[in-house]
Amino acid sequence: DTAVSQTPKYLVTQMGNDKSIKCEQNLGHDTMYWYKQDSKKFLKIMFSYNNKELIINETVPNRFSPKSPDKAHLNLHINSLELGDSAVYFCASSQQPVGQEQFFGPGTRLTVL
Amino acid sequence: LAKTTQPISMDSYEGQEVNITCSHNNIATNDYITWYQQFPSQGPRFIIQGYKTKVTNEVASLFIPADRKSSTLSLPRVSLSDTAVYYCLVGVAGAGSYQLTFGKGTKLSVIP
Repeated sequence: DTAVSQTPKYLVTQMGNDKSIKCEQNLGHDTMYWYKQDSKKFLKIMFSYNNKELIINETVPNRFSPKSPDKAHLNLHINSLELGDSAVYFCASSQQPVGQEQFFGPGTRLTVL
Repeated sequence: LAKTTQPISMDSYEGQEVNITCSHNNIATNDYITWYQQFPSQGPRFIIQGYKTKVTNEVASLFIPADRKSSTLSLPRVSLSDTAVYYCLVGVAGAGSYQLTFGKGTKLSVIP
C-alpha cells in the first residue's frame, strides 16, 4: 500500500493554464505539506495543514492555493501557470507538525511550456 | 527563521565513515533537527532526528553539540547505495506558529 500518493506523476502544460495536483495519505496522519523542489534541488516548504487548518503559508504567489477536503487529502491548485512554476512538487505527511518524521510522496514533475 | 548551511558535495570511498555537517547558527530553543536522504526521482526519506546530544539508529548517528548551532550526520561504512543527496531540516513549533527550513542538500558520491 502506498503511504503518500500524488497524481499526476508528470504534468506538462502551457503557460496561462490552470492545473491541480492531488495528494492522499493513508497513514492516519494529522498534518500534510506541499514542497517545491526547483532545478537546483532546493526543497522549499509552501504550505502545511494540520487537522484541515492551514498552519504554514510561506511566501508563494497567490496563484497557488491549497485545499484540504479532509485530513487524508491535500490538493494544490495553480492558476495562470508561468514558466517559473516548472519544478517537482512533493506532498508529505506527518503525525503532528514539526518534530515528527515526514513521509514524502513520489513527487509531481510540472513542466510549463 | 533558522538558516541552514551544508556542503554542496562530498566524495567517499566504500567502507569509510562519512560525516556531513549542517550549520544552523540561529537555531531556536524549540527547533528539532532532522536529516533526510533523497535518491533521484524519489521523495526524501527520513533518516534520523534529534534535539540535543547524540542519537543513533540502525542506519546513522546524529551528533548535536551543546550550543546546537550545528549538527553532524554520521554514516558508518558507506556503500554505493548510499550515494544520494542528504538534507538537514530545522523545524520549530511555538504559539501556533510553525517554521520548516531545509538546507540546500549535500550530494554524497560513494566511490568503489
